[in-house]
Amino acid sequence: TQLLEQSPQFLSIQEGENLTVYCNSSSVFSSLQWYRQEPGEGPVLLVTVVTGGEVKKLKRLTFQFGDARKDSSLHITAAQPGDTGLYLCAYYRGSTLGRLYFGRGTQLTVWP
Amino acid sequence: DTEVTQTPKHLVMGMTNKKSLKCEQHMGHRAMYWYKQKAKKPPELMFVYSYEKLSINESVPSRFSPECPNSSLLNLHLHALQPEDSALYLCASSQGTGRGAGSRYEQYFGPGTRLTVT
Repeated sequence: TQLLEQSPQFLSIQEGENLTVYCNSSSVFSSLQWYRQEPGEGPVLLVTVVTGGEVKKLKRLTFQFGDARKDSSLHITAAQPGDTGLYLCAYYRGSTLGRLYFGRGTQLTVWP
Repeated sequence: DTEVTQTPKHLVMGMTNKKSLKCEQHMGHRAMYWYKQKAKKPPELMFVYSYEKLSINESVPSRFSPECPNSSLLNLHLHALQPEDSALYLCASSQGTGRGAGSRYEQYFGPGTRLTVT
């Protein structure tokens, strides 16, 4: 069962454009994480959002956690070719056998 | 130091070969993970080690055999693989597992081993 739905699945834009990708669910999460994976590399953690309504900024990237803690968005301003990659949202299910669950990802391509 | 290292970077092996993938971290993390990732798909969890003990095996075929010699090292032994096992194999680590949320459970990934089975 895919608890996290990411959209769009693919996004191809020109350098300088703005974009938003979404991570939605009907479940409530204590936190959500965003990763970026560049071609041929492992995922890199960008941010963890914890508080409902929280907004975090990382240079041109703005992350928001929904008020109800069921969804999150990532907005990129003035995209650059270096932003190209697979963007993954994930949640951690805490238990004695805790593990990370990923959404299917958004594949972003930014053309020069 | 937030680095997870993996060797080799690339591996080509025949279906009758035996090979091993290696992963190392020096962050003092007590949980380590193996993932398999196909192109344009999210990572799929294979194994989790917590305090050097195998805590999760996601019904992985026995041709994949994990080993955690100590808290810094994680190996994945490969034997009699199939062409469909070709993928990027990622290692990750976190401070721990357990109930709760927050930075303790954030995972740091290595660059992966690109495996091709011929």
